[in-house]
Amino acid sequence: SQKIEQNSEALNIQEGKTATLTCNYTNYSPAYLQWYRQDPGRGPVFLLLIRENEKEKRKERLKVTFDTTLKQSLFHITASQPADSATYLCALEGSSNTGKLIFGQGTTLQVKP
Amino acid sequence: NAGVTQTPKFRVLKTGQSMTLLCAQDMNHEYMYWYRQDPGMGLRLIHYSVGEGTTAKGEVPDGYNVSRLKKQNFLLGLESAAPSQTSVYFCASKDGLFGGEQPQHFGDGTRLSIL
Repeated sequence: SQKIEQNSEALNIQEGKTATLTCNYTNYSPAYLQWYRQDPGRGPVFLLLIRENEKEKRKERLKVTFDTTLKQSLFHITASQPADSATYLCALEGSSNTGKLIFGQGTTLQVKP
Repeated sequence: NAGVTQTPKFRVLKTGQSMTLLCAQDMNHEYMYWYRQDPGMGLRLIHYSVGEGTTAKGEVPDGYNVSRLKKQNFLLGLESAAPSQTSVYFCASKDGLFGGEQPQHFGDGTRLSIL
């Protein structure tokens, strides 16, 4: 069955450092991969989308890589700030045009000042 | 522009009771989704709709029903609530015009406890 794995342990880093979060998947060939941010008591908020034929995408301090051979995506936040502390969700979408997403369980990032 | 609004925000039910969760979006989106989020499990798709009057089953549809009578509203019903349905429920919508290159927009959830 399709499976997405994100680091279940919280990631603790110092302010100013680069945070790197991992998303691995099996038994799936996604057309798109998306990253969302979720704050406590709130719904997920979209951050970035990368297509299967793209290797890397950037938006301000955020960078996503997508390796379809390794079946892995890396999500980087450079110059991290305490305000970046949240849970980050990886989601995969196929090419069925239903827009259905399969989500990982999320990784919690804590940035300490 | 409120985005996606979920009603109610919190609810406590007794086993066997029924209730309806309401999701409303003001972005004229074609696609709408209902998820549940449990600790350590991530978001799991319950039901979805690709347009007014259509619904389809997701990954965990048992015990739930849905209706999409109006484009802007997507209702999730629990006919006979069970403790296993204690969860946080999220609704999301998505623009269907451009295929997969659009994100989903989420509401802030309904926290449901079944005693």
